[in-house]
Amino acid sequence: NAGVTQTPKFRVLKTGQSMTLLCAQDMNHEYMYWYRQDPGMGLRLIHYSVGEGTTAKGEVPDGYNVSRLKKQNFLLGLESAAPSQTSVYFCASSYSRQGLNTEAFFGQGTRLTVV
Amino acid sequence: KNQVEQSPQSLIILEGKNCTLQCNYTVSPFSNLRWYKQDTGRGPVSLTIMTFSENTKSNGRYTATLDADTKQSSLHITASQLSDSASYICVVSAHQAGTALIFGKGTTLSVSS
Repeated sequence: NAGVTQTPKFRVLKTGQSMTLLCAQDMNHEYMYWYRQDPGMGLRLIHYSVGEGTTAKGEVPDGYNVSRLKKQNFLLGLESAAPSQTSVYFCASSYSRQGLNTEAFFGQGTRLTVV
Repeated sequence: KNQVEQSPQSLIILEGKNCTLQCNYTVSPFSNLRWYKQDTGRGPVSLTIMTFSENTKSNGRYTATLDADTKQSSLHITASQLSDSASYICVVSAHQAGTALIFGKGTTLSVSS
């Protein structure tokens, strides 16, 4: 059982380049989330999705776009990367919304460096 | 403002010793409190989830306590092992959609032999 899988694990981008991070889950979860983790800070929510075809903004959405065309996949896009987007990105999924007492499963992270 | 504060920021202990990590929160309305373990280079993994009515929960050598009146939680690790070296993150959930999880900055625990 793979759980939550993120692709790629590492990436270096030049300022202004674009890229897409892929998150795939095989647990049939409705809810999926993208977080970023920066040194000295807690995880912060970028965007989330409550089901196929739906997306919503989180705490720090600027500079990112997302899509949830299939239930099992949640894509995070950077249209024009900036050094401030250097971070570790985590995808998570859960059966129901995270305000309830449901387990949230995290991927292994994508370490992105923008130079 | 919803906040989760953890202490200490980092901790070094000898293998076999016990330790306690602290978490204070100001999150409303409160739904539940979680402790996660995050190994270096990995995603967080859930250790415990406690609701308002639960004041203690164990997962092997990990025991979490919750005092909803004082808005404090602790994570006690018994007979530490080298594999316990990780960051421990306190996360408080609010009764709202989407941004419901408020993450602490974590306590970095190093267990040495």
